Amino acid sequence: ETGVTQTPRHLVMGMTNKKSLKCEQHLGHNAMYWYKQSAKKPLELMFVYSLEERVENNSVPSRFSPECPNSSHLFLHLHTLQPEDSALYLCASSHRDRWYRGINEKLFFGSGTQLSVL
Amino acid sequence: EDQVTQSPEALRLQEGESSSLNCSYTVSGLRGLFWYRQDPGKGPEFLFTLYSAGEEKEKERLKATLTKKESFLHITAPKPEDSATYLCAVQPDNYGQNFVFGPGTRLSVLP
Repeated sequence: ETGVTQTPRHLVMGMTNKKSLKCEQHLGHNAMYWYKQSAKKPLELMFVYSLEERVENNSVPSRFSPECPNSSHLFLHLHTLQPEDSALYLCASSHRDRWYRGINEKLFFGSGTQLSVL
Repeated sequence: EDQVTQSPEALRLQEGESSSLNCSYTVSGLRGLFWYRQDPGKGPEFLFTLYSAGEEKEKERLKATLTKKESFLHITAPKPEDSATYLCAVQPDNYGQNFVFGPGTRLSVLP
């Protein structure tokens, strides 16, 4: 299997449930991302794991918890979500330059998890 | 604050009717500008990267250009299979190696 794969493709959960989204990349990249895509809004960066270091966006609520056990796998743990959290959650990967020399690497996205919170 | 806007929000074209999509950006310094295509129910797919004003890239019916303030995605003689949402993203100097995305332009090409 190649590219970036996400599971599940669709998820419906209640506000009191706990669930996890999974992402796996087979591209040998060293950075993985979670993005949120809501209707008619730009992609919002939630979390980045780069070179084994987690870089957080401080505006992400604590009900979203990322986990990156290795450079190929990324999880997003969800608990006590709100209806406004309903969106498409996209995982992406890229190659990042360790020394930030400005080498730009494009993102490779998975197909996303369409999340509905009831 | 780094910002990316795209226009129009939606565009309907007849097959063969050429047009352009606009991406305007405000960043302190630009490392690169990226165009992606997103089909319904799928993640964005990379199209082009542009690094400096005056640069142009082409792929089939698509041509991307870059100035100091905006980028255009020109679509020549589009076909129905070109229907998708086109996203623009910039990589600013002061944002690590992260990206700022625009809201996208939803393109429909009618047969």
